[in-house]
Amino acid sequence: QVTLKESGPGMLQPSKTLSLTCSFSGFSLSTSGMVVSWIRQPSGKSLEWLAAIDWDGDKYYNPSLKSRLTVSKDTSNTQVFLKITSVDIADTATYYCARDGSFDYWGQGVMVTVSS
Amino acid sequence: DVVLTQTPPTLSATIGQSVSISCRSSQSLLHSNGNTYLHWLLQRPGQSPQLLIYSVSRLESGVPNRFSGSGSGTDFTLKISGVEAEDLGVYYCVQGTHAPPWTFGGGTKLELK
Repeated sequence: QVTLKESGPGMLQPSKTLSLTCSFSGFSLSTSGMVVSWIRQPSGKSLEWLAAIDWDGDKYYNPSLKSRLTVSKDTSNTQVFLKITSVDIADTATYYCARDGSFDYWGQGVMVTVSS
Repeated sequence: DVVLTQTPPTLSATIGQSVSISCRSSQSLLHSNGNTYLHWLLQRPGQSPQLLIYSVSRLESGVPNRFSGSGSGTDFTLKISGVEAEDLGVYYCVQGTHAPPWTFGGGTKLELK
């Protein structure tokens, strides 16, 4: 059974660094072709792909946010991380991690509010 | 980046009615390997998105066969043959042909008439 679960701070202040964790089970990120993405969704709006990391450790970023994003994974290939630097109010959203390029499995999402 | 335009933005339907949602791409989504990476997701109220159809027309496991996808190049359609109450929510198309970045359509909200 494939599951993913996001975790994060809930709320943080502008200019801080947001750190998110995606913990997953039921598949291995070391499997050839596997990829895990981060996607976010401001309340009432559409989805925005942010970053991804694949089985080989290659990293992919949304060009519009690339300078602020860092994606990584742990050595056991059961967690993927995302850091977003210099957050502001526009980064308030629900953040999801999802498996594969077809996004066949999603986590429940974690709501992040940026507020002073 | 590839822009996906979904129409209509809102769709009102009665139970049992058949409906279609359009997704138009700013570029052809035919990959050089011959595949087309255009997928459809449904996000029910308060839930995470779920995959319905991948690669234009392939039904994800466990998805009812009243859902079907078609299209090629830049024009794609999701059809629901007989809407049921559990189908209400927001539908998104997403492309992976020209990833990264993967890009999503703006969404189509399906509501009861």
